[in-house]
Amino acid sequence: DGGITQSPKYLFRKEGQNVTLSCEQNLNHDAMYWYRQDPGQGLRLIYYSQIVNDFQKGDIAEGYSVSREKKESFPLTVTSAQKNPTAFYLCATTPGQGRLETQYFGPGTRLLVL
Amino acid sequence: GQQVMQIPQYQHVQEGEDFTTYCNSSTTLSNIQWYKQRPGGHPVFLIQLVKSGEVKKQKRLTFQFGEAKKNSSLHITATQTTDVGTYFCAVSWANNLFFGTGTRLTVIP
Repeated sequence: DGGITQSPKYLFRKEGQNVTLSCEQNLNHDAMYWYRQDPGQGLRLIYYSQIVNDFQKGDIAEGYSVSREKKESFPLTVTSAQKNPTAFYLCATTPGQGRLETQYFGPGTRLLVL
Repeated sequence: GQQVMQIPQYQHVQEGEDFTTYCNSSTTLSNIQWYKQRPGGHPVFLIQLVKSGEVKKQKRLTFQFGEAKKNSSLHITATQTTDVGTYFCAVSWANNLFFGTGTRLTVIP
């Protein structure tokens, strides 16, 4: 997981603003994922991408958008349409395209909406 | 959809005591993964179980997959303060990966 960077570590956003969370990896892994973690809950999948220029919605995609223009990068935009965006956001990768493979997680970004 | 229950939600133990967390599914699973998340950190992969009745050990940690492949357990022998954190199971079902809600372990020195 040392090869996955997420920035910033903490992010504050005013209500009604869009904000983009960065995720970069140098592991040469094919697939990348975005999860949301709320206190006392497990990880919930927002979006995932198995190859460049392609991505799929996860279980809670509403209010979020992503892009995968490069293999190394998978930014997540939290839009103003997301009603409760305050959470811990985790980016993950898998070596291949299989969703069932071992997940390698980045350090995460904590988003707080003011 | 897939229901993954992890119990207990919280566990406080004295250092040196044993600890067990259980992961239960409503359906037969392809495999199960276990992750550990330290306080303030991110999940880190521990192990994957695939076979029915499989038992794997990592030092003081013992992982078991049920015979029916519907449940799993993680047992820590003689806990240490370095064991603190939240332990998650992640189950594979219908080509999806579902994470449990986790068990938060506190170890009292």
